[in-house]
Amino acid sequence: RKEVEQDPGPFNVPEGATVAFNCTYSNSASQSFFWYRQDCRKEPKLLMSVYSSGNEDGRFTAQLNRASQYISLLIRDSKLSDSATYLCVVNPEDSSYKLIFGSGTRLLVRP
Amino acid sequence: DTAVSQTPKYLVTQMGNDKSIKCEQNLGHDTMYWYKQDSKKFLKIMFSYNNKELIINETVPNRFSPKSPDKAHLNLHINSLELGDSAVYFCASSHFSNYASSGANVLTFGAGSRLTVL
Repeated sequence: RKEVEQDPGPFNVPEGATVAFNCTYSNSASQSFFWYRQDCRKEPKLLMSVYSSGNEDGRFTAQLNRASQYISLLIRDSKLSDSATYLCVVNPEDSSYKLIFGSGTRLLVRP
Repeated sequence: DTAVSQTPKYLVTQMGNDKSIKCEQNLGHDTMYWYKQDSKKFLKIMFSYNNKELIINETVPNRFSPKSPDKAHLNLHINSLELGDSAVYFCASSHFSNYASSGANVLTFGAGSRLTVL
């Protein structure tokens, strides 16, 4: 089983749609979680950290379910500019320097 | 501009050659990394340095040798290049913390160096 697993997609949605991605992780001791965004032929950039109580940043909402070991990202009112690959990232141990990246979920927002 | 900068951006070379990629960060971070992203877009950590000390070496072949002359620089030298080394190599940096404090362990990536081995 991969340490971090994501549905590769692509998710093809119209502008204005709400779309959700899930990500599962295998190490129950994982402490830190993030969503990164990667545009085509660009570097990954932090979208948001994921906190235990869930957190929201504008149209983006992240949730953590420790019991089921999954993280979710919800995007409301999708914009064309949201088209990108969304990477789920997990720090498997609290004191580890290592961040494990999922293979990413590709989102295409169409006019 | 505060950033992680890496050079060169593109590198095309023959099998068997030796090449280097340089990386510099001016963010004041104490930890730097090399990640490899292959054709399937999977990002995998190769090395991590904290204050010039090697912390992570993820079963990377000995042909890959990182060097950190100071905590703002982490270079990657690759000997005897093979076809399978073709990938995008990303340098990154972060401020390391044992606590999940705001901004800690968040990676800032360079723009990537696309290596093609012919």
